[in-house]
Amino acid sequence: QKEVEQDPGPLSVPEGAIVSLNCTYSNSAFQYFMWYRQYSRKGPELLMYTYSSGNKEDGRFTAQVDKSSKYISLFIRDSQPSDSATYLCAIPYNAGGTSYGKLTFGQGTILTVHP
Amino acid sequence: DAGVTQSPTHLIKTRGQQVTLRCSPKSGHDTVSWYQQALGQGPQFIFQYYEEEERQRGNFPDRFSGHQFPNYSSELNVNALLLGDSALYLCASSLGLGDSQFFGPGTRLTVL
Repeated sequence: QKEVEQDPGPLSVPEGAIVSLNCTYSNSAFQYFMWYRQYSRKGPELLMYTYSSGNKEDGRFTAQVDKSSKYISLFIRDSQPSDSATYLCAIPYNAGGTSYGKLTFGQGTILTVHP
Repeated sequence: DAGVTQSPTHLIKTRGQQVTLRCSPKSGHDTVSWYQQALGQGPQFIFQYYEEEERQRGNFPDRFSGHQFPNYSSELNVNALLLGDSALYLCASSLGLGDSQFFGPGTRLTVL
């Protein structure tokens, strides 16, 4: 079983739709959770960084963590064509409460928002 | 303020050859991590350099080696190239062994 699993999609939605992107993870010791966005032919850029369960909101983006289910989500409200990209969930290696910066990524979900 | 820079942008090599990729971290960052991203996959951690030493390593063979210089820049070396080494190689920098990593645009390596 992979440590982090993500449905690769692709996902195609109309402009203005609410998008839901999801990942599951296997290790209950994971404490930090991240979402990266990667445009074609570019490196990933950090979108959201969350710790513990619950929601974190940043503009049109909301990251949600459910540790009991080992499930993380990213919601995009009022999606725009400029949101078309690959979205990657990432979890840093963590031991004894100390994080060491080694990121484990999901496969990435390809999102297209069409006008 | 320049972000993470990588060179070259693209590279084509043949099986068995050796390649060196270069990375300059974001200003103020002292830690460099390297990732391999195959087509349609998420990045996979290769190794991390801090204080000119390899601090962590992913599940990659010894053909993959690296170096960090006193100015914090880094090199990734791959020996005896295989077709399966074709991928986008990403460099990420951070301050210390932290999680907030900033990625460069990557070097696309094609092995023929």
